[in-house]
Amino acid sequence: NAGVTQTPKFRVLKTGQSMTLLCAQDMNHEYMYWYRQDPGMGLRLIHYSVGEGTTAKGEVPDGYNVSRLKKQNFLLGLESAAPSQTSVYFCASSYTTGGNLNTEAFFGQGTRLTVV
Amino acid sequence: DQQVKQNSPSLSVQEGRISILNCDYTNSMFDYFLWYKKYPAEGPTFLISISSIKDKNEDGRFTVFLNKSAKHLSLHIVPSQPGDSAVYFCAARRTTSGTYKYIFGTGTRLKVLA
Repeated sequence: NAGVTQTPKFRVLKTGQSMTLLCAQDMNHEYMYWYRQDPGMGLRLIHYSVGEGTTAKGEVPDGYNVSRLKKQNFLLGLESAAPSQTSVYFCASSYTTGGNLNTEAFFGQGTRLTVV
Repeated sequence: DQQVKQNSPSLSVQEGRISILNCDYTNSMFDYFLWYKKYPAEGPTFLISISSIKDKNEDGRFTVFLNKSAKHLSLHIVPSQPGDSAVYFCAARRTTSGTYKYIFGTGTRLKVLA
């Protein structure tokens, strides 16, 4: 059972370059999220999706775009990378509520991105 | 605006003793609270949770307490073990118009000394 898989695990970008981070989940979850983790800042929500074809902004969406063309995949794009986007990125997924309160989010292993 | 706060960035505890990690929140609309544990180079893993309609939830060595009037929750680990050394994140779920999202705190690094 793979759970949530992120690709790639590491990447170094030059300022201005673009890239896409891929998240795939095999748990048939409706909800998917992208977070970034920075020292002293905890996990901050970038964008999230409540179902295939939907996306919504989180706490820190600027400089990122996302797409959810398939239920199992959630892509995070950086169109023009900046050093401030150096971070560890985590993808997560969860069930809808549906009356079940035990809707914890399951996380991937993370992508360490460095922008130089 | 940090809606979920963990004011202690680090905590050291002797093996066998109790570890108490604290979390404060500002938004009374949060309806579900969770604790996650994170080891280096790994993703956060779910540890324990509590609904806003309860004040305590227990799972083995882990107990979460919720004080809604104080907007405060805490995680107790008894007894603490060296393998518990990790970063612990508090998270709160906010449900808006039928959809929800999780807001995380800044984390507390727990070190259990053998």
